[in-house]
Amino acid sequence: AAGVIQSPRHLIKEKRETATLKCYPIPRHDTVYWYQQGPGQDPQFLISFYEKMQSDKGSIPDRFSAQQFSDYHSELNMSSLELGDSALYFCASSMGRRTANTGELFFGEGSRLTVL
Amino acid sequence: GNSVTQMEGPVTLSEEAFLTINCTYTATGYPSLFWYVQYPGEGLQLLLKATKADDKGSNKGFEATYRKETTSFHLEKGSVQVSDSAVYFCAITGGGADGLTFGKGTHLIIQP
Repeated sequence: AAGVIQSPRHLIKEKRETATLKCYPIPRHDTVYWYQQGPGQDPQFLISFYEKMQSDKGSIPDRFSAQQFSDYHSELNMSSLELGDSALYFCASSMGRRTANTGELFFGEGSRLTVL
Repeated sequence: GNSVTQMEGPVTLSEEAFLTINCTYTATGYPSLFWYVQYPGEGLQLLLKATKADDKGSNKGFEATYRKETTSFHLEKGSVQVSDSAVYFCAITGGGADGLTFGKGTHLIIQP
């Protein structure tokens, strides 16, 4: 069965550079969520999109932005990278918003960003 | 805001041992509760869930009961296998937000 696809799987950037992560949800899923997991930390909710509109916002820094496109894939753009941005970034998808209440989130394998 | 506290690992057990991973939470309102598992090199997978008090979630031999009076959702398994080695995350719904609030994860290591 098709799963959530994230790219790239690994990314190395210098401080102050920009990075873009991509997420392709499961077919027919219309909601995408982004999470950040620092080393040894729990995943932190960043932002979510439903039907191409921002649905909810968590602890996403102002330096980051995201959007969901007409094919439902999503991109997370990170600018002025800092060392503390080094983390594993997860994307999850679901059918319908607020299905976090039912736990039916399907996670990708994550994109590991290293900022040097 | 909502928060989740779970026992720190790593937890190392022998095969066929009994497993308990503790999870307690603080939340406004009435959250739903989940356990997610992360196998090496993979994303998070929903293991089980409970949406109201006294509900018992179960899957693959794992169980957890929603205890509202103690705000707990402890994960248990009667006989663990080497293949259960993974990181386990307790999570709750975010108090009206779309996102989930996760605990810090417990690394479980099962030795043959």
